[in-house]
Amino acid sequence: GQSLEQPSEVTAVEGAIVQINCTYQTSGFYGLSWYQQHDGGAPTFLSYNALDGLEETGRFSSFLSRSDSYGYLLLQELQMKDSASYFCAGSARQLTFGSGTQLTVLP
Amino acid sequence: DAGVIQSPRHEVTEMGQEVTLRCKPISGHDYLFWYRQTMMRGLELLIYFNNNVPIDDSGMPEDRFSAKMPNASFSTLKIQPSEPRDSAVYFCASSLDRVQETQYFGPGTRLLVL
Repeated sequence: GQSLEQPSEVTAVEGAIVQINCTYQTSGFYGLSWYQQHDGGAPTFLSYNALDGLEETGRFSSFLSRSDSYGYLLLQELQMKDSASYFCAGSARQLTFGSGTQLTVLP
Repeated sequence: DAGVIQSPRHEVTEMGQEVTLRCKPISGHDYLFWYRQTMMRGLELLIYFNNNVPIDDSGMPEDRFSAKMPNASFSTLKIQPSEPRDSAVYFCASSLDRVQETQYFGPGTRLLVL
């Protein structure tokens, strides 16, 4: 089976940088994905790391270290609209989601 | 493309009634997934299909739940009989390639069983 752990809540101010960590335990691991979900909305795909290292997409970056079973999502130049839940998801036989991190961006 | 389409968006029913949720995946996507989301249990995979064939249904809670995919453009998730603990948001998602794990989620069906 798989299990993923991430902090339940993170708070930051507009313009700041925030890092959301995710540790995982899984067999047959393919890669780590990140999804964003606004209140009342559906999860939307942000990024996928199959290899170690940093993937950058605009203000968002995602990192994976397979040897440490660890990854993180980095959000830069935070905006109010970034307030949402962020889920890491590990892919093996299927996609398993972490419990989500509620990010609150304060003005 | 219109994205993944789900219906109904909201459903309120009484315990014991049959509930049918519907999903139309993105055209050309070979994989279809059904998820359930609750505050207590988070986002759980119920079942997924590849080319209309159920591959893994280990997440289906019990025999009251069943899912079908009669063709590439339509899937249903049925709960019979429904119970209050089935109240949740049910998402359908589709993907082109499961290994890449880029899944596109529908807007969800918010189910309330009284």
